Amino acid sequence: GAVVSQHPSWVICKSGTSVKIECRSLDFQATTMFWYRQFPKQSLMLMATSNEGSKATYEQGVEKDKFLINHASLTLSTLTVTSAHPEDSSFYICSAPIGLAYNEQFFGPGTRLTVL
Amino acid sequence: GENVEQHPSTLSVQEGDSAVIKCTYSDSASNYFPWYKQELGKRPQLIIDIRSNVGEKKDQRIAVTLNKTAKHFSLHITETQPEDSAVYFCAASRTASYDKVIFGPGTSLSVIP
Repeated sequence: GAVVSQHPSWVICKSGTSVKIECRSLDFQATTMFWYRQFPKQSLMLMATSNEGSKATYEQGVEKDKFLINHASLTLSTLTVTSAHPEDSSFYICSAPIGLAYNEQFFGPGTRLTVL
Repeated sequence: GENVEQHPSTLSVQEGDSAVIKCTYSDSASNYFPWYKQELGKRPQLIIDIRSNVGEKKDQRIAVTLNKTAKHFSLHITETQPEDSAVYFCAASRTASYDKVIFGPGTSLSVIP
């Protein structure tokens, strides 16, 4: 079946540094991928839609200059958290649609980011 | 944009009893409604989904109903087991693969042995 991977699975960084998270579709191509953020005991909040070969579409309230998204190939999307601060500590999850007729999503395993 | 509400936020049931979680959505163009189960620190797992051309779907102990007129959909788990304990999310989406999926706030289900 379809698999979406993420790397790293967890990362700890100092405040002010940048962190890159990779999302890969392993056995299918994804022209669109989605990035979510999940704080403890909360729901998945959509951050942005990553589009292969074009600019990402950000949800209202998400800073595009802080959360840089690049979708350079049909199997890889990256999210870079720039100048990370403790309030950016969260669980970041990507997903890619695989449904032929409907929008069924396959989720990556998530990346736990802790900013000290 | 789409807004998905979900109730209750927490639910405790005795093992063997049924659990019902209800959701509403706002975008009348939404036509795909998945339900996810998420265990702590893990990715959401699709447990069942329903599409706008049907009103009910069942898979063993899990069933989902959809009322498009009222913009309601519900998850029913029968004969609950302790391993059903998790957080459950409903979601809504339009059809195309580039359409975003919007999640409800979640329901924490506890099944008491």
